[in-house]
Amino acid sequence: ETGVTQTPRHLVMGMTNKKSLKCEQHLGHNAMYWYKQSAKKPLELMFVYNFKEQTENNSVPSRFSPECPNSSHLFLHLHTLQPEDSALYLCASSQVGQGRPQETQYFGPGTRLLVL
Amino acid sequence: KQEVTQIPAALSVPEGENLVLNCSFTDSAIYNLQWFRQDPGKGLTSLLLIQSSQREQTSGRLNASLDKSSGRSTLYIAASQPGDSATYLCAVRPGTGRRALTFGSGTRLQVQP
Repeated sequence: ETGVTQTPRHLVMGMTNKKSLKCEQHLGHNAMYWYKQSAKKPLELMFVYNFKEQTENNSVPSRFSPECPNSSHLFLHLHTLQPEDSALYLCASSQVGQGRPQETQYFGPGTRLLVL
Repeated sequence: KQEVTQIPAALSVPEGENLVLNCSFTDSAIYNLQWFRQDPGKGLTSLLLIQSSQREQTSGRLNASLDKSSGRSTLYIAASQPGDSATYLCAVRPGTGRRALTFGSGTRLQVQP
């Protein structure tokens, strides 16, 4: 596969469940991102990882726990979510560093999450 | 706090029309601005990226302009086609070194055949 892939594509979970979202990028990039797209709000950043280190956390509740074991994989662990957490969760990657002013972010297809 | 606004929220045009999508942002201290396309149920596809020092970028039938001082960008689509139907998102990256993009709510475009 090429580009940025995400699994699962759809997920339904109860408020007491624990689940994980997975993202994998096949572009050789060194930065990865989690975004949340809710029905009534603009797409918003959750976390940024640069060389496997978390560099930005946009005040995300602790019921969302990211993990970046290497520069190609990014996980979002979910536990005790609320119905208002239902949204499309998008992963993105980019190549950052000197001489790369453009740093276009490439997005995966997203995981559609429904919390009951 | 940066805010990005896109007007109109939705647009329906007949095939062949030229059209303009608008994006405005409140903090002009940006690093770059990107236009994305999102098809229903899918992720985002980057269309054009304009650095803060640039005025415009072109790709095929698409032309994006940037007026940083006034906090505005436009995406011009020439000779629209039904395949252009999608939601178009504008996003700005801050000039502070952070990489978090701030997105607008998007313009939902429908091109009628």
